[in-house]
Amino acid sequence: KAGVTQTPRYLIKTRGQQVTLSCSPISGHRSVSWYQQTPGQGLQFLFEYFSETQRNKGNFPGRFSGRQFSNSRSEMNVSTLELGDSALYLCASSLELAGELFFGEGSRLTVL
Amino acid sequence: DAKTTQPPSMDCAEGRAANLPCNHSTISGNEYVYWYRQIHSQGPQYIIHGLKNNETNEMASLIITEDRKSSTLILPHATLRDTAVYYCIVRGENQAGTALIFGKGTTLSVSS
Repeated sequence: KAGVTQTPRYLIKTRGQQVTLSCSPISGHRSVSWYQQTPGQGLQFLFEYFSETQRNKGNFPGRFSGRQFSNSRSEMNVSTLELGDSALYLCASSLELAGELFFGEGSRLTVL
Repeated sequence: DAKTTQPPSMDCAEGRAANLPCNHSTISGNEYVYWYRQIHSQGPQYIIHGLKNNETNEMASLIITEDRKSSTLILPHATLRDTAVYYCIVRGENQAGTALIFGKGTTLSVSS
């Protein structure tokens, strides 16, 4: 079956703009979580959704937000982009909360 | 903060077994040990997980010490394609709202 799909794979934005990233989980998976990966900080947890509800949130400013739709697809939004937001954003899905995670290939964001 | 400690890098000759250690001295009784790996520019890939018994699947074996304070991931016959960053993570399997906390991982370099 199809894996986790993230779009877009690559994008370039300028400071002050906002960006929306999309994640389609594996069919049947109800939990979606998001991670930010940078060379300096490594993989950091952003948030986790289950049945359209945010269940957990990492230590990121309010500029980072997300949501999950009834079909389990998820989006994350970053407003007022800063240079430091340049990163690989990874989405992972699982059958249930705290289950085995399946990661997508990520969306690589570059902020100029 | 990550609850695990791993060596930053290891080398292995192709065809030999790669033994990757992980210390998790503060692991709780209901926390599992998970292993993921990340090949350059791809999303992390699940390898294996276990509670206290040794586990084996088609990719690797996981050996957990009796006191559960450390574990070893074994790739029995390493290939060049096993070159990746390997992450050891502890997490409760039914802890709703908890996230995977990734440390720095071990960069495994397999050479011919």
